[in-house]
Amino acid sequence: GENVEQHPSTLSVQEGDSAVIKCTYSDSASNYFPWYKQELGKRPQLIIDIRSNVGEKKDQRIAVTLNKTAKHFSLHITETQPEDSAVYFCAASSTGNQFYFGTGTSLTVIP
Amino acid sequence: GAVVSQHPSWVICKSGTSVKIECRSLDFQATTMFWYRQFPKQSLMLMATSNEGSKATYEQGVEKDKFLINHASLTLSTLTVTSAHPEDSSFYICSARSQTGSYGYTFGSGTRLTVV
Repeated sequence: GENVEQHPSTLSVQEGDSAVIKCTYSDSASNYFPWYKQELGKRPQLIIDIRSNVGEKKDQRIAVTLNKTAKHFSLHITETQPEDSAVYFCAASSTGNQFYFGTGTSLTVIP
Repeated sequence: GAVVSQHPSWVICKSGTSVKIECRSLDFQATTMFWYRQFPKQSLMLMATSNEGSKATYEQGVEKDKFLINHASLTLSTLTVTSAHPEDSSFYICSARSQTGSYGYTFGSGTRLTVV
């Protein structure tokens, strides 16, 4: 099955700086890679996603890059704000049904 | 947008009892729903795939006789934790994908189960 690894597990940045979270996956058949933000005790919320036919996608301060050859994808948050503090999960899917999640990154944005 | 409702949001039960958690898709039909388990400060672990009108598919290591899944309609899946033990205490969360629109999941609000 798919194995998704995520780094770092914790990340602290100063407000206004950028944050980068990286994930690798093992199944070359995976073709859909969403990122979720989860605040404490709440449900994960989809923040951005990318499909394998695209190398990069951007939505305001959030961007995701994908390197299919190397089987890794990254989340980039620019101009971070305190409300960006949360746990972020990457995921990979080959079917659009079963998703395999990374281990999560706890992001803290220091005002 | 697609909304998934999950109940209860928090439940405390005694060891040995059973707990049922409901997951409903409110404005769309979901032939497939997914059940995840999340321990504190850990990732979401897929437990099983719930298929409407057929048996659920369980991930390796998940006891199907302990975690009973029923998907009787296109909008409702239930997870029953049978003979609960303290080690079953966790955050259980369901998700579903609308047949149309985004490829992404919509998650339920989660159920925090505490077994005492």
